Amino acid sequence: SQQGEEDPQALSIQEGENATMNCSYKTSINNLQWYRQNSGRGLVHLILIRSNEREKHSGRLRVTLDTSKKSSSLLITASRAADTASYFCATALSGDYKLSFGAGTTVTVRA
Amino acid sequence: DGGITQSPKYLFRKEGQNVTLSCEQNLNHDAMYWYRQDPGQGLRLIYYSQIVNDFQKGDIAEGYSVSREKKESFPLTVTSAQKNPTAFYLCASREGSHTGELFFGEGSRLTVL
Repeated sequence: SQQGEEDPQALSIQEGENATMNCSYKTSINNLQWYRQNSGRGLVHLILIRSNEREKHSGRLRVTLDTSKKSSSLLITASRAADTASYFCATALSGDYKLSFGAGTTVTVRA
Repeated sequence: DGGITQSPKYLFRKEGQNVTLSCEQNLNHDAMYWYRQDPGQGLRLIYYSQIVNDFQKGDIAEGYSVSREKKESFPLTVTSAQKNPTAFYLCASREGSHTGELFFGEGSRLTVL
């Protein structure tokens, strides 16, 4: 069963703009992770945020986590054409070896 | 270079045939996973293995089988019992910690003719 759900399903922005996507989940988590997938390729890990963290940065990426609302957001600043991809959130439950993925947000960055 | 290798990248199968997808990793990871991805959807877990000679069913294990005889290898067999096998299959691995990041292969696309 899918634990996380991303919103919006698709996003189209101009190069240089910021892209924000959200992830909501249903049950308490150990951590939440964001992945990127280029068309027809495998997933690449971007960032992991633990349940006791509220914000994390990695380069042009900023992730927030609000455990009271069971939601997370991924912000990509100053987007580039190379950021065109699908982005997935995945949740890890405490004591569970499984990682549950949402359906993803497809981001298109226009030149 | 350490990583995960999946083969073949593209595979065509006739109805009623079993096919085996290969997944090999040289990251010395304990845990390995198989996910299925359908167009416009997220990943669904088929099987996972935490250690050699042990594996557990995921959310959609029916019609699939796996083995874990070596730490490096986790092949997935799509059997004729799988009703709708056309999909993109992704293999992943993770270090011993059960909450860390997954490392993915490049995927295998299976099409049933």
